[in-house]
Amino acid sequence: RKEVEQDPGPFNVPEGATVAFNCTYSNSASQSFFWYRQDCRKEPKLLMSVYSSGNEDGRFTAQLNRASQYISLLIRDSKLSDSATYLCVVNRGTSYDKVIFGPGTSLSVIP
Amino acid sequence: NAGVTQTPKFQVLKTGQSMTLQCAQDMNHEYMSWYRQDPGMGLRLIHYSVGAGITDQGEVPNGYNVSRSTTEDFPLRLLSAAPSQTSVYFCASKGQGFTGELFFGEGSRLTVL
Repeated sequence: RKEVEQDPGPFNVPEGATVAFNCTYSNSASQSFFWYRQDCRKEPKLLMSVYSSGNEDGRFTAQLNRASQYISLLIRDSKLSDSATYLCVVNRGTSYDKVIFGPGTSLSVIP
Repeated sequence: NAGVTQTPKFQVLKTGQSMTLQCAQDMNHEYMSWYRQDPGMGLRLIHYSVGAGITDQGEVPNGYNVSRSTTEDFPLRLLSAAPSQTSVYFCASKGQGFTGELFFGEGSRLTVL
């Protein structure tokens, strides 16, 4: 079993739709969690960190459920520019432990 | 304003050849890492380092070698390239703490024939 798993996708949604991505992690010692965005053939970039209390950044909302070892990302009012691959990222153990990426979920927002 | 710099951006090798992918960062980050990305596989951690002189294996370390003699540099060596190592390689670094953001280089596209 992979340490970090995500919805396989791809997700194809119309502009203005709300879409949710799910991620699960297997190592209960994991300490910090992130969502990264990767555009085609580019390097990944941080979208947002994920906190236990949940956090929101404009149209994006991230949630963490430590008991279920589950992370989610909600995108409201999807834009064409949201088309990308979304990567769930887990920082295990101490602050200097491995940073593990999920396989990613592809999103295409259609006009 | 360099951040993380990887070279070369593109490389074609023949099976059995060796090469080194270079990675340098100017942010004084202690943590540096190498990932490879294959279609449908996401980024898989090859090796990482938490400071000069300290390295450890990631998820897919076989066939790769690393060293960390300075804070700034973290080269990745392929000792005897194989077609299975055809991939896009990313170097990344981050500062201290759980909330440290990973900063990536632009990637190196390697093809092994």
